[in-house]
Amino acid sequence: DTGVSQDPRHKITKRGQNVTFRCDPISEHNRLYWYRQTLGQGPEFLTYFQNEAQLEKSRLLSDRFSAERPKGSFSTLEIQRTEQGDSAMYLCASSPIAGANTGELFFGEGSRLTVL
Amino acid sequence: KQEVTQIPAALSVPEGENLVLNCSFTDSAIYNLQWFRQDPGKGLTSLLLIQSSQREQTSGRLNASLDKSSGRSTLYIAASQPGDSATYLCAVSTYNQGGKLIFGQGTELSVKP
Repeated sequence: DTGVSQDPRHKITKRGQNVTFRCDPISEHNRLYWYRQTLGQGPEFLTYFQNEAQLEKSRLLSDRFSAERPKGSFSTLEIQRTEQGDSAMYLCASSPIAGANTGELFFGEGSRLTVL
Repeated sequence: KQEVTQIPAALSVPEGENLVLNCSFTDSAIYNLQWFRQDPGKGLTSLLLIQSSQREQTSGRLNASLDKSSGRSTLYIAASQPGDSATYLCAVSTYNQGGKLIFGQGTELSVKP
């Protein structure tokens, strides 16, 4: 088990372009979360999936943002028509549910987005 | 609405000193509380998790306590080392919220040799 994997680690793009981030959770973790973190702040919740179902979306997730988890395994986060305010670290986390689950979340290394 | 606050925002101590980081939350109906470490430009590393029924957890030189009734948690670091320099984040999850965490803004710790 290699932990939560995110790709790419760093993306530089021009304003108006679309970008997509991928997250591979720890295998057999049912829940997958996306967070956004700006410099000097704590991570802010964006959305989460339980298996393939997207169960909650934050108001921070504008209509330019879309997240999917089609087969209940990896997830993608797409940002359309990027703006400079989208520049941030995008963090993915996963956790198991039920059984002996303690509710602990395991985070990846993040994908840093810079919008020029 | 749950809000998490961490004080101080930054802390600088000499090597070897024992120190305490503080975390407070507004809604005591939490499921658990996690402390994380974050190095610059990196992801989050889980340090300690305290379930709502627990009072404290220990791992090596780290000890985290939880007082739900007062909405407070502390992270105690013994005999600090330069390698402890990082940002420390506190986060809570509440029941029926799908396990999502609400984070504080973090305490940036610098341990001077």
